[in-house]
Amino acid sequence: NAGVMQNPRHLVRRRGQEARLRCSPMKGHSHVYWYRQLPEEGLKFMVYLQKENIIDESGMPKERFSAEFPKEGPSILRIQQVVRGDSAAYFCASSPGGQGAYEQFFGPGTRLTVL
Amino acid sequence: GDSVTQMEGPVTLSEEAFLTINCTYTATGYPSLFWYVQYPGEGLQLLLKATKADDKGSNKGFEATYRKETTSFHLEKGSVQVSDSAVYFCALGGNTGGFKTIFGAGTRLFVKA
Repeated sequence: NAGVMQNPRHLVRRRGQEARLRCSPMKGHSHVYWYRQLPEEGLKFMVYLQKENIIDESGMPKERFSAEFPKEGPSILRIQQVVRGDSAAYFCASSPGGQGAYEQFFGPGTRLTVL
Repeated sequence: GDSVTQMEGPVTLSEEAFLTINCTYTATGYPSLFWYVQYPGEGLQLLLKATKADDKGSNKGFEATYRKETTSFHLEKGSVQVSDSAVYFCALGGNTGGFKTIFGAGTRLFVKA
């Protein structure tokens, strides 16, 4: 059973470009979470999604950031017009629904570098 | 709101030394508590968890006890190995904030041979 998959693992963008980060949850998991980790810091919650629904986006910046989890395919975190401050590691996690919802399984992360 | 505070690192120990990483939390409800470990260049792996007061989570020689009276969840290991060198994150989840997990800032552990 494959774990949480994220791609790309490393992404380099110039200021003003768009970044698209993909996350495929573990098989059977219907909940996806995105977190951002700045250098030498802990993870900060960004958004929680279920299929076709955003459940909690309280950690998402108000501008330039968006996330989706379509009925088919991976979850996408999209950052428009990237700035240097967006450079970070972005981690996706997934969990099953119901009682197992609080234990999250993490992907290897996408390390975004903005030049 | 809910928060997690853990001891600052880095922590440097010799092999076979005893490890304690302190973690305290603030929460209005009854969260589950977790320790995650992050090895260099990798994502987080769940190390252990406890879902209610007085529960003890344990895995790979690590253990932590959910202490509601002191709002703590300290991580301990009796004899560390070089391979334990990593960053350790204390976290809480499943509380009134819904399904999101709130992480501490992380504690980097270096174990010397």
